[in-house]
Amino acid sequence: EVQLVESGGGLVQPGGSLRLSCAASGFTFTSYAMSWVRQAPGKGLEWVSSISGRGNGVNYADSVKGRFTISRDYSKSTLYLQMNSLRAEDTALYYCAKLPNEALVRYFDSWGQGTRVTVSS
Amino acid sequence: ETLMAQSPATLSVSPGEGATLSCRASQSVSSNLAWYLQKPGQAPRLLIYGASARATGIPARFSGSGSGTEFTLTISSLQSEDFAVYYCQQYNNWPRTFGQGTKVEIK
Repeated sequence: EVQLVESGGGLVQPGGSLRLSCAASGFTFTSYAMSWVRQAPGKGLEWVSSISGRGNGVNYADSVKGRFTISRDYSKSTLYLQMNSLRAEDTALYYCAKLPNEALVRYFDSWGQGTRVTVSS
Repeated sequence: ETLMAQSPATLSVSPGEGATLSCRASQSVSSNLAWYLQKPGQAPRLLIYGASARATGIPARFSGSGSGTEFTLTISSLQSEDFAVYYCQQYNNWPRTFGQGTKVEIK
């Protein structure tokens, strides 16, 4: 059974940094692309970033480009999102999501329960 | 950016009745369109991918259709567990984009 468990969220001041983690299990981590999707309070879903199975392809939403970095550690089967220069508008529940194969041109077939990030002074 | 517009914003339906949800893309996304269901306090769950293929474990009462810019999700007979928010999402163009959601509520 696929399991995705996010952690690392919390309260941070504007301009601060956080690193989110997503521990994956139940599938061969190397073989699947992964993504981060966020949901601001009471709002819809917003794609943030994706990384291919081998890690050689990454994409970012314009709203986070240059501030967020997606990465993955194959030895730990863990996906990361390094978030720098955080803004109030980054406040959201951040979901880790798995794609159905190695490529990035796919949908999200499994989701974690999310980790909450609040950016406020 | 490919804008995804869902309609209606809210749909009031009685249990056992059918429902039709629409999703329109601002440019062609081919058949690279997915539908998700999200219940309060839960993560989204994949229902449909490739515009019309049901995800694993999704009941046959859910069906998707369309291609290019016009898509439809049909629920043939709503069960209590189907009352939720539904999102469409395109994965043909960067950035990936979602519709704003359609809330299906009990009438």
